Amino acid sequence: DQQVKQNSPSLSVQEGRISILNCDYTNSMFDYFLWYKKYPAEGPTFLISISSIKDKNEDGRFTVFLNKSAKHLSLHIVPSQPGDSAVYFCAASGFPGGGADGLTFGKGTHLIIQP
Amino acid sequence: EAGVAQSPRYKIIEKRQSVAFWCNPISGHATLYWYQQILGQGPKLLIQFQNNGVVDDSQLPKDRFSAERLKGVDSTLKIQPAKLEDSAVYLCASSPSGGVNQPQHFGDGTRLSIL
Repeated sequence: DQQVKQNSPSLSVQEGRISILNCDYTNSMFDYFLWYKKYPAEGPTFLISISSIKDKNEDGRFTVFLNKSAKHLSLHIVPSQPGDSAVYFCAASGFPGGGADGLTFGKGTHLIIQP
Repeated sequence: EAGVAQSPRYKIIEKRQSVAFWCNPISGHATLYWYQQILGQGPKLLIQFQNNGVVDDSQLPKDRFSAERLKGVDSTLKIQPAKLEDSAVYLCASSPSGGVNQPQHFGDGTRLSIL
């Protein structure tokens, strides 16, 4: 059973517009959420994160919103640029104790920025 | 700062053969993770080390997979014997310490193909 879900396998957005990527989770023990960006043949690159005590975190063009009651988070990219074309993974961690903090990933959303 | 180093980048073997992957984390990072990413899926945690001790190996198929981090720095992951379903990218990640809100940094992975 998938605990982190990204229901859109792909998303196409025009350059300069806003890109919104969505993620849902089912495990209420998750309290730290991250977005990673991945180019082909490279490892995932950390983009932005948010702790469950916050509902918004901003870093330049990237903003992550967290709605704990809905178990939903989203990544906003404004404005979208051609270099943003990549696969975006949503990930979560729950700290069950003993220092264990392995990430649970969604399947990813392929973002395509059209010129 | 040098990133997470992994080798080899690609490996092709026949089923029932053995294979080993190597990872060197970011200097000073105490926590090291191995993930398996099957095509079309997000990465899945296999094992987490804190220094040279295992923190979480609950998702490691221990009948065929083993991992070690003897001196608390670099690590090897071994598969013996390999099965067709082990075809995947094996990603290594590191973070300064486990159990706190901080991102993991990934290497570029080893792509394993089983014939």
